[in-house]
Amino acid sequence: DAGVIQSPRHEVTEMGQEVTLRCKPISGHDYLFWYRQTMMRGLELLIYFNNNVPIDDSGMPEDRFSAKMPNASFSTLKIQPSEPRDSAVYFCASSSHNSGANVLTFGAGSRLTVL
Amino acid sequence: DAKTTQPPSMDCAEGRAANLPCNHSTISGNEYVYWYRQIHSQGPQYIIHGLKNNETNEMASLIITEDRKSSTLILPHATLRDTAVYYCIVRVEDTDKLIFGTGTRLQVFP
Repeated sequence: DAGVIQSPRHEVTEMGQEVTLRCKPISGHDYLFWYRQTMMRGLELLIYFNNNVPIDDSGMPEDRFSAKMPNASFSTLKIQPSEPRDSAVYFCASSSHNSGANVLTFGAGSRLTVL
Repeated sequence: DAKTTQPPSMDCAEGRAANLPCNHSTISGNEYVYWYRQIHSQGPQYIIHGLKNNETNEMASLIITEDRKSSTLILPHATLRDTAVYYCIVRVEDTDKLIFGTGTRLQVFP
C-alpha cells in the first residue's frame, strides 16, 4: 500500500485565495483525520470522519475552513479565503476500526504558506 | 479528558536504552495509552499502545504501572534515527479523538 497520500506537498498562495488540500486514505480504512501543525500551537485536530461522515469538527478554527469526504478514498480540506495565520503543515491520517481507530497512519503533510 | 505530562526533552547515548516517562493520573479505566513519534518534518508515526499490561513490538516496549497513572516507553537500543519528538496520548473519553500534547524531544547522541 502506498500509505496516506496528500497533495500538494507544498503550496504558496496569497492572502484571500482559496486553498484546497487533498488526501487519499489507505484503502479499507474507515476513519480519516485532519490535523494542523504550527510551531506555536503544535499538532491540532481539526476534524475527523468515520465512514465518510464528519463526526467531530470542533477543531475547525472558523467558517473559512471546510472539509469533505465524498467517498471512502478521498477527502478535501478547503480554506476560503486564506490568511497568513493559516500557514502551517496540514496532515491527513487514516485508521481502521478493525485494527484500532486510534492507530493512525499519517501522510507526509501539505506545507501551506499564505503570503 | 485525561491529560498527559511528559518531560520536554531527554538525551540518550546511541546503543543505550531510552526510557521515556509519561504521567496520566486522570486516565479512566478503559482508556488506552498511545505513543507516537515525529521525526523532523515528517508525519507522526504510531509506535505502540496499551491498556494495563506491558506491551512489546518491533519498535519498543510499553510499561504501564499497576495503577495506570503512568507509563514508560522503552527503546531498547536507541539509534541516531530515533531522534524525534515522542508523544504520549490518551484518547478523549467516549470519542475517537487523539489530542497531541507537546511531547518529549529525544536527542540520541553518538
